[in-house]
Amino acid sequence: GAVVSQHPSRVICKSGTSVKIECRSLDFQATTMFWYRQFPKQSLMLMATSNEGSKATYEQGVEKDKFLINHASLTLSTLTVTSAHPEDSSFYICSASDGTSGYNEQFFGPGTRLTVL
Amino acid sequence: GQNIDQPTEMTATEGAIVQINCTYQTSGFNGLFWYQQHAGEAPTFLSYNVLDGLEEKGRFSSFLSRSKGYSYLLLKELQMKDSASYLCAFMDSNYQLIWGAGTKLIIKP
Repeated sequence: GAVVSQHPSRVICKSGTSVKIECRSLDFQATTMFWYRQFPKQSLMLMATSNEGSKATYEQGVEKDKFLINHASLTLSTLTVTSAHPEDSSFYICSASDGTSGYNEQFFGPGTRLTVL
Repeated sequence: GQNIDQPTEMTATEGAIVQINCTYQTSGFNGLFWYQQHAGEAPTFLSYNVLDGLEEKGRFSSFLSRSKGYSYLLLKELQMKDSASYLCAFMDSNYQLIWGAGTKLIIKP
């Protein structure tokens, strides 16, 4: 149980285009979803937290107009990188929590490798 | 403020034991996690400690001392497949995970 999928796993796009990444909880209802970004040899950086049906809470320094997050249902959240530039190239990972464990365990998706040319 | 620190890289021999340390500072604490992350993949959960002491789970054990802001992950009978990055993270008072940069563990035959 507690499987999270992400699509696509890899994407290469041209500078200036927009890219949408999907995150799905396959066998549980995710009351909260998290989006992380990880640059090579660096730690996971939380970008935003989203609760189903409400606006995402962005971390300081993350542009909400550039990284659009939608959490329309209890099993799906999307991250859209708008007008992507080479500096947005990174490994994007989502995680989901169903809030049932005492420590709000997060289950991670397999990640999406974004390369902007 | 909040911070978390762990060594950047460690090397160990197949079949041996290795201990990866993690120190942290925070005013609010709701537990400490260890995750394993293979290159290019998402992290996978290894352990969670919220009380002081040692939690053993097969070849992996995790220890926590809240008064010292210290945790370690102990890996026994190392196998080549254990080569990965090991991330420690604590959960703060807002239930957010604050991540360390990860320790890259290299296993040599």
